[in-house]
Amino acid sequence: AQSVTQPDIHITVSEGASLELRCNYSYGATPYLFWYVQSPGQGLQLLLKYFSGDTLVQGIKGFEAEFKRSQSSFNLRKPSVHWSDAAEYFCAGAFKAAGNKLTFGGGTRVLVKP
Amino acid sequence: DGGITQSPKYLFRKEGQNVTLSCEQNLNHDAMYWYRQDPGQGLRLIYYSQIVNDFQKGDIAEGYSVSREKKESFPLTVTSAQKNPTAFYLCASTATGIGNTIYFGEGSWLTVV
Repeated sequence: AQSVTQPDIHITVSEGASLELRCNYSYGATPYLFWYVQSPGQGLQLLLKYFSGDTLVQGIKGFEAEFKRSQSSFNLRKPSVHWSDAAEYFCAGAFKAAGNKLTFGGGTRVLVKP
Repeated sequence: DGGITQSPKYLFRKEGQNVTLSCEQNLNHDAMYWYRQDPGQGLRLIYYSQIVNDFQKGDIAEGYSVSREKKESFPLTVTSAQKNPTAFYLCASTATGIGNTIYFGEGSWLTVV
């Protein structure tokens, strides 16, 4: 079965430091991959998505993600974190075998230290 | 502005009662979804609909029901059969086609008292 895994439940980072959130998927082909951010008690906002082509994808709010087929990964990065980046981040995949339904990872909560 | 509107934002339910969460979208999207989110956990798919008058069960459909009588509306009823309904519920929609961005509403908090 298709799956998306986020190995880190919590990450704490100092303001101004770099951030990397891990995401792995399990699927026999390349899925459509997404990163969403959720502020407490709010809906999800799309940060970026990957379908094909350039494996380094630029998103909003200074985020980028790199697709690595060999590692079945789609890690999210930001060079310098701001306090407003404290939120929960979800990786998701849309697998052709499952239509357009998104399968979400468990999420990673990011805490930003001053 | 185009978007997805969920209501109410907060809802309290007594045990044994059914409640209905509203979801309306003006994005002209064919597909709509309901997800459940428990604290500290990811999203789980309850029901989805890819066209009017048709819907399918997701991963955790037991104790829930939906209808899709209009393209823009996809209400979710949490029935008394749902044993643990306290959660955050998110409605989403997307244009037809694999890989299209799914847009989310702001969510509804349901608490059983």
